[in-house]
Amino acid sequence: EVQLLESGGGLVQPGGSLRLSCAASGFTFSSYAMNWVRQAPGKGLDWVSAISGSGGSAYYAGSVKGRFIISRDNSKDTLYLQMNSLRAEDTAVYYCAKTIGSYSYFDYWGQGTLVTVSS
Amino acid sequence: SYELTQPLSVSVALGQTARITCGGNNIGSKNVHWYQQKPGQAPVLVIYRDSNRPSGIPERFSGSNSRNTATLTISRAQAGDEADYYCQVWDSSTGVFGGGTKLTVL
Repeated sequence: EVQLLESGGGLVQPGGSLRLSCAASGFTFSSYAMNWVRQAPGKGLDWVSAISGSGGSAYYAGSVKGRFIISRDNSKDTLYLQMNSLRAEDTAVYYCAKTIGSYSYFDYWGQGTLVTVSS
Repeated sequence: SYELTQPLSVSVALGQTARITCGGNNIGSKNVHWYQQKPGQAPVLVIYRDSNRPSGIPERFSGSNSRNTATLTISRAQAGDEADYYCQVWDSSTGVFGGGTKLTVL
């Protein structure tokens, strides 16, 4: 059974940093691209970033490019999102999501972790 | 940047057919995926690559995609189908979601 478990969310001040983790199980982690998708309170889904199975390619939404870094440790079956220079508009539930391949559909999602950026 | 347009809300009578549209420039040339999200839950894939159903998704869910509009169709709507629905595509290595449609089953 595929499982994705996010952690690392919390309250952070504007300008601060936070690192999210997503522990994966139930599939060969290194074979699949992974993504972060966020959802601000009461709003829709917003794609944040993607990384290839090897970790050699990474892609970002314009709103986070230069501030967020996606990475993965295939020896630990874990996906990360390093978030720097956080803004109030980054407040959201952050989901990790698995894709079948690059530029494909999100077939499994975690339950999300809430990030609140506020002073 | 590429944009997807969905109606904010759609209502359907119990047992009738609901259609949720997703508009985008030449979206017919892209693979469209649809997700269902119920309050407090993570999204669930209901249609992938325009018209394919994942295992466990009822046959009542179907999809189509042509020219500038993709459509999610839910036949014989049930109370349990009440949720937010999102369409999604990839464009220039970027994931794009529609704004979401709230489906109400009356």
